[in-house]
Amino acid sequence: AQSVTQLGSHVSVSEGALVLLRCNYSSSVPPYLFWYVQYPNQGLQLLLKYTSAATLVKGINGFEAEFKKSETSFHLTKPSAHMSDAAEYFCAVSGGGSNYKLTFGKGTLLTVNP
Amino acid sequence: NAGVTQTPKFRVLKTGQSMTLLCAQDMNHEYMYWYRQDPGMGLRLIHYSVGEGTTAKGEVPDGYNVSRLKKQNFLLGLESAAPSQTSVYFCASRLAGGPREQFFGPGTRLTVL
Repeated sequence: AQSVTQLGSHVSVSEGALVLLRCNYSSSVPPYLFWYVQYPNQGLQLLLKYTSAATLVKGINGFEAEFKKSETSFHLTKPSAHMSDAAEYFCAVSGGGSNYKLTFGKGTLLTVNP
Repeated sequence: NAGVTQTPKFRVLKTGQSMTLLCAQDMNHEYMYWYRQDPGMGLRLIHYSVGEGTTAKGEVPDGYNVSRLKKQNFLLGLESAAPSQTSVYFCASRLAGGPREQFFGPGTRLTVL
């Protein structure tokens, strides 16, 4: 079975600081990995996805993530936080025996302080 | 394209009442999903469908039923609502092939008193 662990349910950064949101996964087969963002009272929007091409994936709004197989990690970063980045972020994995499904982490709430 | 739409946006039920949530997508996606989102729990899969006329159970199916009579629609039913079903419900869809990205609707906030 596949699973996702997001370290830190709440991360707080200052505007202009580095954003680092951590995601570790387990999967018995090479996975597809995703980061989604959810703004208050909205649905989930795809930020970026890893599909076994380049290990460094660039997404929308200046976010990127690096797939590290040896560490089973897919951490999300952004060099300089903006107030508009305040939202909840979800890491998800697809793969293994049930290719229909995405397994989500519990989410990390990002707060950006002025 | 409207993408994935959900009806209604909000609903308040009394314990024991029934209701149906409607999800519609105009992207010709084969797969559709219903999730519930609760604080600190992430998204949990209730039921899903890989094609018209087919449905399958997800992680938390008890108390819910679904139907996929048309490719573009996926209905979620609560036959006898319970307070434990108070949640935000999201519908999602995706293509059968490709990189398996799911597209989400805006959600339905359900309160059961």
